Amino acid sequence: GESVGLHLPTLSVQEGDNSIINCAYSNSASDYFIWYKQESGKGPQFIIDIRSNMDKRQGQRVTVLLNKTVKHLSLQIAATQPGDSAVYFCAEAGGTSYGKLTFGQGTILTVHP
Amino acid sequence: EAGVAQSPRYKIIEKRQSVAFWCNPISGHATLYWYQQILGQGPKLLIQFQNNGVVDDSQLPKDRFSAERLKGVDSTLKIQPAKLEDSAVYLCASRTPGQGRNTQYFGPGTRLTVL
Repeated sequence: GESVGLHLPTLSVQEGDNSIINCAYSNSASDYFIWYKQESGKGPQFIIDIRSNMDKRQGQRVTVLLNKTVKHLSLQIAATQPGDSAVYFCAEAGGTSYGKLTFGQGTILTVHP
Repeated sequence: EAGVAQSPRYKIIEKRQSVAFWCNPISGHATLYWYQQILGQGPKLLIQFQNNGVVDDSQLPKDRFSAERLKGVDSTLKIQPAKLEDSAVYLCASRTPGQGRNTQYFGPGTRLTVL
């Protein structure tokens, strides 16, 4: 079935490094993508989103890249901080399922001071 | 602006018992979602409401799960009877169309343990 998945389940980096979290999706009809951050004991927190008519979008210390050719999404975090340690999920909304998000499994990011 | 509120935060029950979760979305948010998040996985949509109407409940196990949003504000999700595999975090989220296509704001969740 259609799914959104992640290449790496865990990522460990040093404080100050840049982090890259990857996501592959299989639904070619997906036209909207979101990255969420989830800290232990909390609900997912919106980080950044991107529509399929874009290939890059920047926020504060974060950049999302979308490659529709290979159905790949990535989240780049610049100057990673210990407070960035969390589980990161990508999610997609398909063109025929307005409002319905499909989440991937998640990547655990650990930032060492 | 207050966030999405959920209660209780934790619940432990035995299998075959009943349990109910409550959600109060962000004021003015017409769309409300219930998700189930099993440990180590991403959230899975159970049901979506638009005001007090159900938009999508295709993944809700209707033989044991039910949800309502009678006045289009608060919502309750019930499980009766619970099974061991229902152990998970139940997340509520809300959204208003004016905030972009799918900016869903999540509550802290209710962690359910079924023994």
